[in-house]
Amino acid sequence: DIQMTQSPSSLSASVGDRVTITCRASQSISRYLNWYQQKPGKAPKLLINGASSLQSGVPSRFSGSGSGTDFTLTISSLQPEDSASYYCQQSHSMPLTFGGGTKVEIK
Amino acid sequence: EVQLLESGGGLVQPGGSVRLSCAASGFTFSTYPMSWVRQAPGKGLEWVSHITGSGSNTYYADSVKGRFTISRDNSKNTLYLQMISLRADDTAVYYCAKAAKAGFWSEADYWGLGTLVIVSS
Repeated sequence: DIQMTQSPSSLSASVGDRVTITCRASQSISRYLNWYQQKPGKAPKLLINGASSLQSGVPSRFSGSGSGTDFTLTISSLQPEDSASYYCQQSHSMPLTFGGGTKVEIK
Repeated sequence: EVQLLESGGGLVQPGGSVRLSCAASGFTFSTYPMSWVRQAPGKGLEWVSHITGSGSNTYYADSVKGRFTISRDNSKNTLYLQMISLRADDTAVYYCAKAAKAGFWSEADYWGLGTLVIVSS
């Protein structure tokens, strides 16, 4: 199975800050990497698929990059509504494993 | 508008069984693979099981293999998860999720609201 390791597990940043979350796969997954946002008590929401393709309606301050084993999710200017947990997921092969998540808090 | 509505959760005793359902609407259900993903209280997301659009291929996490069975009724636009031999660590919110692309698997572009299963005596 492919293990997905996210870091950090949590972070606190100010409005306007640039935030970066990393995700590392235990083996190469090409660009089969997806990012989800989950707010408390809500279902996850797909933000980015294919490592860097932004879903329709997702603000352009979100971006994704990487290939192979190392990936990043960047929020260019953190907004209050971005307070949430973020999960990476590989869709290269079964089982479709998730990273452990990163909780983003606003200072 | 795509809608996914899970049902069937509740309190079940250890060793017991329950069947979850996910009623889908707003898309051609038989075209898309579907997954179940769970989230234990205060924990992260865990992929549980996946089924192709025709139902001919199914996949399971090691943690549920042999105890959970995923199925679908394309005539009723409904996804199922039969869960037996339940344990305390199966306690979670269970989400159904729609694959974004036809084929075997892909990212999930729509999710239900989830149904809570509590395994406790």
